[in-house]
Amino acid sequence: DTGVSQNPRHKITKRGQNVTFRCDPISEHNRLYWYRQTLGQGPEFLTYFQNEAQLEKSRLLSDRFSAERPKGSFSTLEIQRTEQGDSAMYLCASSLPGSPTYEQYFGPGTRLTVT
Amino acid sequence: GEDVEQSLFLSVREGDSSVINCTYTDSSSTYLYWYKQEPGAGLQLLTYIFSNMDMKQDQRLTVLLNKKDKHLSLRIADTQTGDSAIYFCAETPNRDDKIIFGKGTRLHILP
Repeated sequence: DTGVSQNPRHKITKRGQNVTFRCDPISEHNRLYWYRQTLGQGPEFLTYFQNEAQLEKSRLLSDRFSAERPKGSFSTLEIQRTEQGDSAMYLCASSLPGSPTYEQYFGPGTRLTVT
Repeated sequence: GEDVEQSLFLSVREGDSSVINCTYTDSSSTYLYWYKQEPGAGLQLLTYIFSNMDMKQDQRLTVLLNKKDKHLSLRIADTQTGDSAIYFCAETPNRDDKIIFGKGTRLHILP
C-alpha cells in the first residue's frame, strides 16, 4: 500500500458546476478525514468518518458540500453549485481507530480552481 | 477557542539553525505537531510532542514546549536547502480527533 490517494489531482470547473473528489485511504484505516486548504492558510478541518458513519462536520461544510463513505473504504466529497470561494486544495487523511491523532496520514490533495 | 498563530516567513543561511515559533490558545491540547509541506507535495508529519513533555529531539529537529506560555518551537539544526518548505504548527484539542493548523511559516534558505 502506497498511502492515501486522491483523484483527481487537479480540477478546473466553471462557477455553478458540481464537482466530486475521491479519496482512497490506507487499507484497514477505519477513519477518514477531509480538510480544506486555501492559499496562504493552513488546512482546516471539514469532516471525518469512522467506517461508514460521518461523526463530525465543521461549520465550514455548507449545505452545498456533501461527503460520503458508503462502504467504509473510499470516500467522495461533492460540491454543488461551485463558487469561486471554493477554490482550494482539498486534503484527505486516514488513520486507525484509537490511534493518536499524530498518526493521520495525508494524501497529496485535489486542487480545485473555480473560474 | 482554538487558534494557532505563527509568523509567516523566516529566512536562514544554509548551515545555520532555524527556529520557528508558534503560540496556541487551547490549554487542553493533547498533542502538538510540526508538519512540513513542500510545493506540490502533501503534508508530512515532521515530529510531534505530547502535552506533558517539555522537549523532544529527533536528529536535527528539536521541539520545545512551554505549556505555561502556550508556546511551541521547532529548531532545525544545520539547515539545508532541502529544508525549504512551509512549516505548520498544529494541535489536537483534548478528546478531539481533528487537527487545528496554523497558517504556516515559509522557510527560505539563503546560500
